[in-house]
Amino acid sequence: KAGVTQTPRYLIKTRGQQVTLSCSPISGHRSVSWYQQTPGQGLQFLFEYFSETQRNKGNFPGRFSGRQFSNSRSEMNVSTLELGDSALYLCASSLAARGPDTQYFGPGTRLTVL
Amino acid sequence: TQLLEQSPQFLSIQEGENLTVYCNSSSVFSSLQWYRQEPGEGPVLLVTVVTGGEVKKLKRLTFQFGDARKDSSLHITAAQPGDTGLYLCAGRFYNQGGKLIFGQGTELSVKP
Repeated sequence: KAGVTQTPRYLIKTRGQQVTLSCSPISGHRSVSWYQQTPGQGLQFLFEYFSETQRNKGNFPGRFSGRQFSNSRSEMNVSTLELGDSALYLCASSLAARGPDTQYFGPGTRLTVL
Repeated sequence: TQLLEQSPQFLSIQEGENLTVYCNSSSVFSSLQWYRQEPGEGPVLLVTVVTGGEVKKLKRLTFQFGDARKDSSLHITAAQPGDTGLYLCAGRFYNQGGKLIFGQGTELSVKP
């Protein structure tokens, strides 16, 4: 069974631009969560989608948004990029994500904002 | 507000030594997980603990969940260079809507 895939793996943008990252979950997984990982803040939860609905949201500004499609694939968008948005963006999928569910992480997208 | 404190942040030891990583919170965990992350990859789940006082073993790794479910530890016996990586604890809390909150991580380096 293929793992979680994320595209692109690396991305360089400039301040003010917007970016869209994509995540394909493991087949059969209906929950997708997104995280931002930086050296200073560690891994921080962005949002979770389940069956095309946002089920949970972290403490990030409205510039960060996401969506999930009927095939469970998910995208996250960051508008008006800032230097501080440079980070590794990780996507994780799971069967249901309620309670101690096992999340399977993708390799991440490394975003650099210049 | 950081709900979850992990320590130490960095650990550099020689092969064969033992080590312990700690994960603490002032709130009760509904569940807690330990992950390991290697460069260029996403975190990989090592274990999930749910019951207070629970102890789980994974080869040379021993995971303990505190009786009050506010703390956990990861103990590695006779560390090997292959254990090198970032170890993350992550917990769910009853008042956080099921979100998985990660600790800052422990960067472990095991030198041969």
